[in-house]
Amino acid sequence: DSGVTQTPKHLITATGQRVTLRCSPRSGDLSVYWYQQSLDQGLQFLIQYYNGEERAKGNILERFSAQQFPDLHSELNLSSLELGDSALYFCASSGPIGILGGTGELFFGEGSRLTVL
Amino acid sequence: AQKITQTQPGMFVQEKEAVTLDCTYDTSDPSYGLFWYKQPSSGEMIFLIYQGSYDQQNATEGRYSLNFQKARKSANLVISASQLGDSAMYFCAMREELSGNTPLVFGKGTRLSVIA
Repeated sequence: DSGVTQTPKHLITATGQRVTLRCSPRSGDLSVYWYQQSLDQGLQFLIQYYNGEERAKGNILERFSAQQFPDLHSELNLSSLELGDSALYFCASSGPIGILGGTGELFFGEGSRLTVL
Repeated sequence: AQKITQTQPGMFVQEKEAVTLDCTYDTSDPSYGLFWYKQPSSGEMIFLIYQGSYDQQNATEGRYSLNFQKARKSANLVISASQLGDSAMYFCAMREELSGNTPLVFGKGTRLSVIA
């Protein structure tokens, strides 16, 4: 158990719809990352938050948005869904890096598998 | 240009044998970290091993070791004494700017199949 919780685990919806994926990071981790993994593909970085602020942005579509709340949980909103949005969406968190911290590896949730029909 | 290149889409190895999964990276940052993750068929991402750019020795974690060749910009994962449970996708990843919690960039992965 990585300590990162993602809900829902599975989601089936139709094109044009909107869904929200939720993530609770490990206790104490301030950084939350969202990744998308399409079928048999690597992980594509979408967006990162650090202590409530957007820190980095990757290949995130304009139809997608995210936020991190004061309690550090994060939500990824996907709207106007298309067939190509079907994927496994991972949330990950990390702790501090350096002498007082660890290596900064990402701890991943189990993912939310989205199927768009 | 790709930051992380994994040239082996698939690999086969006999049980109890050792296997090397290749990973090359591209960065001009002197401070970076390299990570390997395992993704079994169940889908979760499992952290295996880490190598920092300033680490003098190759990282080892149980049956996993990292063959780090800085001049060649390669960070190959070596799995010794392969087990059937090692069958999975393996991803190499890099973080630049180690001073900050920057995102990891992942390669496309290598699918390892262990044969009995």
